[in-house]
Amino acid sequence: DAGITQSPRHKVTETGTPVTLRCHQTENHRYMYWYRQDPGHGLRLIHYSYGVKDTDKGEVSDGYSVSRSKTEDFLLTLESATSSQTSVYFCAISEGGGAYEQYFGPGTRLTVT
Amino acid sequence: KQEVTQIPAALSVPEGENLVLNCSFTDSAIYNLQWFRQDPGKGLTSLLLIQSSQREQTSGRLNASLDKSSGRSTLYIAASQPGDSATYLCAPTGTYKYIFGTGTRLKVLA
Repeated sequence: DAGITQSPRHKVTETGTPVTLRCHQTENHRYMYWYRQDPGHGLRLIHYSYGVKDTDKGEVSDGYSVSRSKTEDFLLTLESATSSQTSVYFCAISEGGGAYEQYFGPGTRLTVT
Repeated sequence: KQEVTQIPAALSVPEGENLVLNCSFTDSAIYNLQWFRQDPGKGLTSLLLIQSSQREQTSGRLNASLDKSSGRSTLYIAASQPGDSATYLCAPTGTYKYIFGTGTRLKVLA
């Protein structure tokens, strides 16, 4: 299995509070991704990174920001959590984007009350 | 915009059957196509990656085919087992993005 960990694995937070999710990889892969998975919508891309300090938006980026200061870490921040951001969040990595296999972390279940 | 459809959405079969899962996509300008499985409450596990220059890829009892021109891929599972029960997702890839279908939920009955 690819070395990808996510923390926390579960979190319950209140509306309006900031939340940061962490993804850590030990594979030295260049690309890192954040997805959310919701019933009826499948996996949707939030943000991705193609190198240290290089990031771009996905299809559902509103309300989310990301940072990547080291190759191994990719942080997802919800600046002010809303109930619509209750979801399961997955981190994924790829050696070189779409030409390579993508590997997933175990996920973080976030509940915003 | 790439759209991915997986049919059927759910499938229930007796153990030992051979089965085919279908994936169709609207934009044939893809790099590769990857198949995953997802067990309940877990992350996605990569099964196969078919490169755009390939027509087929095999791993054990799994065989995946790709027809870029028609926008279709199939995942063939031979001699299904209860342990194959999971949701199967396909993802055609662009330069850096992977676009996911909503999956086929498979249940193999013992």
